[in-house]
Amino acid sequence: DQQVKQNSPSLSVQEGRISILNCDYTNSMFDYFLWYKKYPAEGPTFLISISSIKDKNEDGRFTVFLNKSAKHLSLHIVPSQPGDSAVYFCAASAYSGAGSYQLTFGKGTKLSVIP
Amino acid sequence: NAGVTQTPKFRVLKTGQSMTLLCAQDMNHEYMYWYRQDPGMGLRLIHYSVGEGTTAKGEVPDGYNVSRLKKQNFLLGLESAAPSQTSVYFCASRALGAGGSYEQYFGPGTRLTVT
Repeated sequence: DQQVKQNSPSLSVQEGRISILNCDYTNSMFDYFLWYKKYPAEGPTFLISISSIKDKNEDGRFTVFLNKSAKHLSLHIVPSQPGDSAVYFCAASAYSGAGSYQLTFGKGTKLSVIP
Repeated sequence: NAGVTQTPKFRVLKTGQSMTLLCAQDMNHEYMYWYRQDPGMGLRLIHYSVGEGTTAKGEVPDGYNVSRLKKQNFLLGLESAAPSQTSVYFCASRALGAGGSYEQYFGPGTRLTVT
């Protein structure tokens, strides 16, 4: 059973417009959420995160919104740039015992920003 | 400061062969993780370690073994490779979570093909 879902495998956006990537989760024990960006043939790199006690976190062009009641988060990229074209993974963290916090990843959304 | 490095970058194995993937980090991180990424599946946790000399199973541990003899190294072993283990393998590390940071730092990946 998928605990973190990214229902859009791909998204195309014009350069300069807003990109909105969505993520839903089912486990109410998740207390921290992260977005990773991945280019082909590279490892994922951390982009932005949000604690479950907040509903918004902003870093430059990137903003993450969290709606706990709906178990939904979204990543907004404004304005979108061609260099933002990558696969974006949503991840959620929960305590798994013995001092360990594990990340559960969604399947990713491939963003294409068209010049 | 190289971050997280993985050796080798590519490998082709025949069914039944064995091999070890090496992950090294120079950030003095306590936690280390091994993931596999398959098309359309996101990243799935194989094994993880919360410190030197300790390991634990993740979501998909069957067919793999790990060891963490030194804090900076985390080894993933395949004793008898199977075609189902064809995948891209990522290693990650994380600092002991002061301040609630759950960010994991990823290596560049190892692309393994089992024929």
